[in-house]
Amino acid sequence: DVKVTQSSRYLVKRTGEKVFLECVQDMDHENMFWYRQDPGLGLRLIYFSYDVKMKEKGDIPEGYSVSREKKERFSLILESASTNQTSMYLCASSPPGGIIQPQHFGDGTRLSIL
Amino acid sequence: ELKVEQNPLFLSMQEGKNYTIYCNYSTTSDRLYWYRQDPGKSLESLFVLLSNGAVKQEGRLMASLDTKARLSTLHITAAVHDLSATYFCAVDADSGYALNFGKGTSLLVTP
Repeated sequence: DVKVTQSSRYLVKRTGEKVFLECVQDMDHENMFWYRQDPGLGLRLIYFSYDVKMKEKGDIPEGYSVSREKKERFSLILESASTNQTSMYLCASSPPGGIIQPQHFGDGTRLSIL
Repeated sequence: ELKVEQNPLFLSMQEGKNYTIYCNYSTTSDRLYWYRQDPGKSLESLFVLLSNGAVKQEGRLMASLDTKARLSTLHITAAVHDLSATYFCAVDADSGYALNFGKGTSLLVTP
């Protein structure tokens, strides 16, 4: 089974802090994704990556950056955390576009910015 | 921009009843996914629908895809409490990599 592991289930940070959310997958997937999930808004794509050191903006990239130095690891960075970034963050991975499989999700990180 | 609309967003139904959740999307796509999310948990893949007319069934859930109508349905037969969860449909975005999700249907099955 695919395993997508997010480093923290719950995280509390202060406004202005630099926050790192880590995600590791063990299936050698090329594609990795970061979403945020908010009540009534569903899942919204922040960034995705289709290869090491490659990144693409999603629908809501403002205030976020990402890093993918190794294939199995995809990090989401909040450069200067703000209260409106309090949310559930979900990481996902999938094989390359020619292989049709669903995205596999981690357990999520519930981030609170105080 | 690809839009994905689910309805209803909230559904309370009695055990034993049947109901259908609808997922409409705005642009051409032939890859549609259904996920389930239990409270406090992550998303679990239910179905992958890849072509017009595709139908998949698992237990009391059956999903179908009509690419011409840009519509997928998730039909629940003889609901049981264990089906209480939030159900999301998702469609391949233009990039071919990312998914556009609907807002989810929160289902509560009551005795």
